[in-house]
Amino acid sequence: EADIYQTPRYLVIGTGKKITLECSQTMGHDKMYWYQQDPGMELHLIHYSYGVNSTEKGDLSSESTVSRIRTEHFPLTLESARPSHTSQYLCASSVPRTGSGYEQYFGPGTRLTVT
Amino acid sequence: AQKITQTQPGMFVQEKEAVTLDCTYDTSDPSYGLFWYKQPSSGEMIFLIYQGSYDQQNATEGRYSLNFQKARKSANLVISASQLGDSAMYFCALENQGGKLIFGQGTELSVKP
Repeated sequence: EADIYQTPRYLVIGTGKKITLECSQTMGHDKMYWYQQDPGMELHLIHYSYGVNSTEKGDLSSESTVSRIRTEHFPLTLESARPSHTSQYLCASSVPRTGSGYEQYFGPGTRLTVT
Repeated sequence: AQKITQTQPGMFVQEKEAVTLDCTYDTSDPSYGLFWYKQPSSGEMIFLIYQGSYDQQNATEGRYSLNFQKARKSANLVISASQLGDSAMYFCALENQGGKLIFGQGTELSVKP
């Protein structure tokens, strides 16, 4: 059972507002990720972290920023929301799998609509 | 460059029949993993099955099995005895050595009663 949480689940907000999407996990995983997914499309990695004070940009360029001050918390911030940011944002964490590879756990996602 | 390709945007299957969802990949990493996820309309990603590149046997998880053909770089998902609740988007993903996932475009599966 994965213990990874995202809030809010749904957010409708006006252009220009600052927003923070919360992601937390209680499993003590070092690796955490943010993916962006447009409706009916594939997920794209936008940020990842391999531990506290470690953050990197992913394969898809994003105007969002992230921080990792605590192991369990990996928030994503948009300083000034725009309609082009409308999407679903999925947070994930992973732990090494016995043998090889990683076990990935996903949160329920945040559906963001910017009007 | 690493890439995952799912060439079937949509698939239909009759209830209780088996269905195969295609996935091909490209990577130069000697060690990698392949995942399949199910995404219902509610949006969450549900892990289905995992195959490591060095695993000798094809992975199986209940009604799900992965037809792994390393030389062809394919990792097709087979769902046996389809159920109405299997209707969803299915994503194949390639995991690189850093643990990051690269996703395919997805296949929308519809199970007919």
